[in-house]
Amino acid sequence: NAGVTQTPKFRILKIGQSMTLQCTQDMNHNYMYWYRQDPGMGLKLIYYSVGAGITDKGEVPNGYNVSRSTTEDFPLRLELAAPSQTSVYFCASSGLAGLQETQYFGPGTRLLVL
Amino acid sequence: GNSVTQMEGPVTLSEEAFLTINCTYTATGYPSLFWYVQYPGEGLQLLLKATKADDKGSNKGFEATYRKETTSFHLEKGSVQVSDSAVYFCALTTSVGTDKLIFGTGTRLQVFP
Repeated sequence: NAGVTQTPKFRILKIGQSMTLQCTQDMNHNYMYWYRQDPGMGLKLIYYSVGAGITDKGEVPNGYNVSRSTTEDFPLRLELAAPSQTSVYFCASSGLAGLQETQYFGPGTRLLVL
Repeated sequence: GNSVTQMEGPVTLSEEAFLTINCTYTATGYPSLFWYVQYPGEGLQLLLKATKADDKGSNKGFEATYRKETTSFHLEKGSVQVSDSAVYFCALTTSVGTDKLIFGTGTRLQVFP
């Protein structure tokens, strides 16, 4: 049981390049989330999904896109990388909606845009 | 709106010292409260949680009590170890919408031998 896995661990992009951050969970969780963590700040929600085929915007969605074709996978796409997207990105999942549900986090992807 | 405020770090302690990290919140409805911990180079892990007023969450020697009257959820540990060095995040979810977590900015704890 690997939990939530993310690839790559680290990536350097040039301004204007695109890339996809991969996230996979093996816990059969319905809910998945993408957060970004800027230095000295808390995590901010980018996008989330309540199940395959359903996604919705979080607090900071601009410049990102997501898809959820399967329960296991929730990739995050950056189309035109900008320096403001330099951050650490965390994927998370949880089983059901509800106040008592724990979110399980992946190890993160560190992205540097130059 | 909903928000979480944590004390700024870093908090620097000697091994076996007493730890308090303050957390207060603003929320509509009846939130659940969480402490997550992030060890160096890793993702966040749930440390403890409390889902209603006066509940006490506890794990690995850490405790926090959900105080509705003071809107607080302070994290405490009686005797810290070097291995407790990490960043600690207070967070909440509310009864409105999905269980989206709202995080505080995090407090870095450094414990020296």
